[in-house]
Amino acid sequence: NSKVIQTPRYLVKGQGQKAKMRCIPEKGHPVVFWYQQNKNNEFKFLINFQNQEVLQQIDMTEKRFSAECPSNSPCSLEIQSSEAGDSALYLCASSPQGANSDYTFGSGTRLLVI
Amino acid sequence: QQKVQQSPESLIVPEGGMASLNCTSSDRNVDYFWWYRQHSGKSPKMLMSIFSNGEKEEGRFTVHLNKASLHTSLHIRDSQPSDSALYLCAASGAGNYKYVFGAGTRLKVIA
Repeated sequence: NSKVIQTPRYLVKGQGQKAKMRCIPEKGHPVVFWYQQNKNNEFKFLINFQNQEVLQQIDMTEKRFSAECPSNSPCSLEIQSSEAGDSALYLCASSPQGANSDYTFGSGTRLLVI
Repeated sequence: QQKVQQSPESLIVPEGGMASLNCTSSDRNVDYFWWYRQHSGKSPKMLMSIFSNGEKEEGRFTVHLNKASLHTSLHIRDSQPSDSALYLCAASGAGNYKYVFGAGTRLKVIA
C-alpha cells in the first residue's frame, strides 16, 4: 500500500465539467508533484509544491488546471473545464527533500472524460 | 527540451533469463537517474537510483551509468514472471526538483 494517498481512484466527467482529485503526501515529505500519464505511458509534469508554495508548473497547468497544497489539508488538482484529451492517469508523488530525491507515488486517479 | 529515450520499447525474456534495458538523456545537465517499475494498473515503485559513474547492484538488479554519454542501463538477472511490468527511467539535473520520464520499456517474462 502506498504511503501517498490519492482519491478518488476513478473519476468520470462530461466535457466541460470540473474534475477534482486529491492527494495526501507521505508524512514528512514537504515536496509534492503532479504528473499526467497518458495511454501511451508518457509522463507529463504538471506542477510541484514545496510546503504550500508552487515551485514549478507548466503552461497547461496555468490555463485550465489549478492546484494547491494548503496547510493541514490534502493537496488537490482541479481541471476547470474537462476535455477528452485530459483522460489519463493523474499521479501524485511526494519526496522528502527538494532536488534530486526519491519520489513516492500514489496509486493515481484515473480520469475519463466522456 | 530535455528528452529521455528508452529502448527497447518492449522486451520478452524467458523465465530465468537476463533482461537488459537502456536509457539515455539528451540533456547535458542531467546528473541523476532513477529506475521505476510500474505493474499494470498500479503506481510506479522505485527500483534503484544512480548518480555516480559505474555500477550499482541490489539483489537481482544491476544498474550502470556512464555520465559522459548520459546513458544508464538496468539489468535483471534470473528474471521472474512477477518482473513483467513497465520499466520507467527518469532523469533530473542538479538542483532541479522535477524528473523527466522516458516512455518506458514493457518487459514480459514468460514461463
